[in-house]
Amino acid sequence: SQQGEEDPQALSIQEGENATMNCSYKTSINNLQWYRQNSGRGLVHLILIRSNEREKHSGRLRVTLDTSKKSSSLLITASRAADTASYFCATDSLFSGGYNKLIFGAGTRLAVHP
Amino acid sequence: DARVTQTPRHKVTEMGQEVTMRCQPILGHNTVFWYRQTMMQGLELLAYFRNRAPLDDSGMPKDRFSAEMPDATLATLKIQPSEPRDSAVYFCASEARLATSTDTQYFGPGTRLTVL
Repeated sequence: SQQGEEDPQALSIQEGENATMNCSYKTSINNLQWYRQNSGRGLVHLILIRSNEREKHSGRLRVTLDTSKKSSSLLITASRAADTASYFCATDSLFSGGYNKLIFGAGTRLAVHP
Repeated sequence: DARVTQTPRHKVTEMGQEVTMRCQPILGHNTVFWYRQTMMQGLELLAYFRNRAPLDDSGMPKDRFSAEMPDATLATLKIQPSEPRDSAVYFCASEARLATSTDTQYFGPGTRLTVL
């Protein structure tokens, strides 16, 4: 079952514009991660934000986390055609077996047009 | 440049045949995952190993799927017998888990399985 729900499911923008993707989740988490997947490839880790952090930056990426609203957003600034990919949020939670695991959302498909 | 490798990259087989997928995790990573990705179900966790011991395989159909780590450099996922509904991309990922919470997972390129 999916814990994270991304919104929107698909996003189409022009190069140079900013892209914002949102993720909502249901249970308490230890951290939230964003991954990127180019068509036909494996997922690539972008950024990890811990539950006690509110904002994190990495290059043109900005991630926010609001644990009170159980939501996160990924902002890509000054987008490029090469940013075209699917973006997934994944939440880390403790499961009944006493271990943590990541649950991935369904993803947002981003298309950046030149 | 350390990376997770998977073989084969593509596999086409007929229903009822055995399929074995292999993964070489990044050297030194102590946690290995098998995921399945389909359009309908998204990315599903099938199996999860820590220090070669299975930690969670609740996402795996037990009657036909099996996952093992014969040694620290090899993880295998086997389907016997395969069915058309097993058609999907299977990803292996590894992680250097130092604490209880998850850290960055490094994904392999995947095995695209088609069962006719």
